Amino acid sequence: AQSVAQPEDQVNVAEGNPLTVKCTYSVSGNPYLFWYVQYPNRGLQFLLKYITGDNLVKGSYGFEAEFNKSQTSFHLKKPSALVSDSALYFCAVRDTLRNTDKLIFGTGTRLQVFP
Amino acid sequence: GAGVSQSPRYKVTKRGQDVALRCDPISGHVSLYWYRQALGQGPEFLTYFNYEAQQDKSGLPNDRFSAERPEGSISTLTIQRTEQRDSAMYRCASIEGASGRVNTEAFFGQGTRLTVV
Repeated sequence: AQSVAQPEDQVNVAEGNPLTVKCTYSVSGNPYLFWYVQYPNRGLQFLLKYITGDNLVKGSYGFEAEFNKSQTSFHLKKPSALVSDSALYFCAVRDTLRNTDKLIFGTGTRLQVFP
Repeated sequence: GAGVSQSPRYKVTKRGQDVALRCDPISGHVSLYWYRQALGQGPEFLTYFNYEAQQDKSGLPNDRFSAERPEGSISTLTIQRTEQRDSAMYRCASIEGASGRVNTEAFFGQGTRLTVV
């Protein structure tokens, strides 16, 4: 069965510093990996995805993520955090095997960026 | 439509009543998902459809929960004999492609906040 884990409930970082939000996954086939962000009282917004190709993918708002197959990880990163980046971040995975391809989300990581 | 539309946005119901939550996906999107999200938690998978076929309902908590998508477009999630523990945000998402060749992202609706009193 596929699964995704976000080991940190909360990440705190000072504005201007780099940030990392961790995600690891487990699938039977090859993964499709996604990051979503949720601002207070809002829906989930797509940030970026890894499907195939270059292990470093770039997305919205200056975020990027690195796919590491050997470590089964897909950590979200940003070189310089902004206070406005404070939100809930969710990692999600789809297994590419035909019969097990539902989209599963992690439990989320709250990012708090301090001025 | 321009986005995924869910109705109602808010629903307050008495314990024991049935409720029906509606999702209107982006036009032409093949896959449709239902999730339940508790405050501060991740979306919990309930069920999903490709076209009108329900592909996986393993996330439905019990037999009081059911979903349908009879014409492959609008979907309804029905909760019978509601209980207080059913109170949550229910979210719908649609994806352009179907099983096996989906590499596009899911688009989420604003959700229906269900409160059972």
